[in-house]
Amino acid sequence: GEDVEQSLFLSVREGDSSVINCTYTDSSSTYLYWYKQEPGAGLQLLTYIFSNMDMKQDQRLTVLLNKKDKHLSLRIADTQTGDSAIYFCASVPGSSNTGKLIFGQGTTLQVKP
Amino acid sequence: EAEVAQSPRYKITEKSQAVAFWCDPISGHATLYWYRQILGQGPELLVQFQDESVVDDSQLPKDRFSAERLKGVDSTLKIQPAELGDSAMYLCASSATGGKAYNEQFFGPGTRLTVL
Repeated sequence: GEDVEQSLFLSVREGDSSVINCTYTDSSSTYLYWYKQEPGAGLQLLTYIFSNMDMKQDQRLTVLLNKKDKHLSLRIADTQTGDSAIYFCASVPGSSNTGKLIFGQGTTLQVKP
Repeated sequence: EAEVAQSPRYKITEKSQAVAFWCDPISGHATLYWYRQILGQGPELLVQFQDESVVDDSQLPKDRFSAERLKGVDSTLKIQPAELGDSAMYLCASSATGGKAYNEQFFGPGTRLTVL
């Protein structure tokens, strides 16, 4: 089945850019999502990209998709302390008719003042 | 702003006891999801409802877990009997539509279950 992998931890200085990486195994994945989870809270959708796109920009967020390498990244420009959270990438396998999400294990982003 | 409601927020129980979690999705959302999130991992789908029908329960441990959404609105997830390995965050989410097209899922705050 589909597997999604992420690096576990990233630490940056406030004002720097953050890049969170994700790899997935299903080459027929349709949509790929980025979610944010703050301590003790549920997940919040940040952005998404459709599989026929290479890049998507949304204010401080840039998503890059390399379908050949099955690699997804999320860049956060001008990272703020409020961006400290766990970030999950999730894919919808091509075989899914229900839109089932497969999540990675999450990347903890620590932003130092 | 409409939100997904869950209760209780925290639950401590002893193994072999029964527990139940409740979820009220955003009004009008046809699809409801229950996820389990073990500490340090991403959420894993337990069960997905489309209205009152189950469309995916492939990862639900059916010997001890049950879920229902009788009127296609709110939902209850039950564990009986609870085991130590069930300690986790149980997240409920809802979306306007299911399916493989773009589908934003809105998550509730979760129920943190601790089994002693």
